[in-house]
Amino acid sequence: GAVVSQHPSWVICKSGTSVKIECRSLDFQATTMFWYRQFPKQSLMLMATSNEGSKATYEQGVEKDKFLINHASLTLSTLTVTSAHPEDSSFYICSARTDENTEAFFGQGTRLTVV
Amino acid sequence: QKEVEQDPGPLSVPEGAIVSLNCTYSNSAFQYFMWYRQYSRKGPELLMYTYSSGNKEDGRFTAQVDKSSKYISLFIRDSQPSDSATYLCAMRGGATNKLIFGTGTLLAVQP
Repeated sequence: GAVVSQHPSWVICKSGTSVKIECRSLDFQATTMFWYRQFPKQSLMLMATSNEGSKATYEQGVEKDKFLINHASLTLSTLTVTSAHPEDSSFYICSARTDENTEAFFGQGTRLTVV
Repeated sequence: QKEVEQDPGPLSVPEGAIVSLNCTYSNSAFQYFMWYRQYSRKGPELLMYTYSSGNKEDGRFTAQVDKSSKYISLFIRDSQPSDSATYLCAMRGGATNKLIFGTGTLLAVQP
């Protein structure tokens, strides 16, 4: 399958700081990328969908100003958690697909801990 | 009612057993059905992808979709300890075409 690389794998940051997570499609061009959040022993919850060159579409209840998403190229999307707080601690996972007729492939996830 | 229901388990089986994992769903617009395997602290890995009803086999894995019953299954034959993971069903279709996940079933294959 196609490869999606997510970086960093884990990060610890202080409350009030911002953290950037990168998602790269290594061997294909990703028209669409998705960002998910997963709490322990729970399923993946879609946070937002981003199309290259367009503004991201956020799911209901997800704060746009807190979770900034940029999809500037066909191989890179970034999620920035701004002014992070302990309740933002979670496992964040991205996925990417070529078009709506193909399946999305997932990155390895980023574990964020805010202290 | 959740759009996708999946028994969270945990499910513990001896090595070599046949494992049956299932999901039910309520949205008749779903057309694409997937099974993902997720190891602890890792992203989901696509195992099986099926369009509409029918069976699909890949090695030790068989996926079944019964759209009339809104029921999908994943069978694992000759299960191995390395199969121990959380298995997530997922599906999409309809106007939004968003990928909706089940809660995942934690499987432990005992050597």
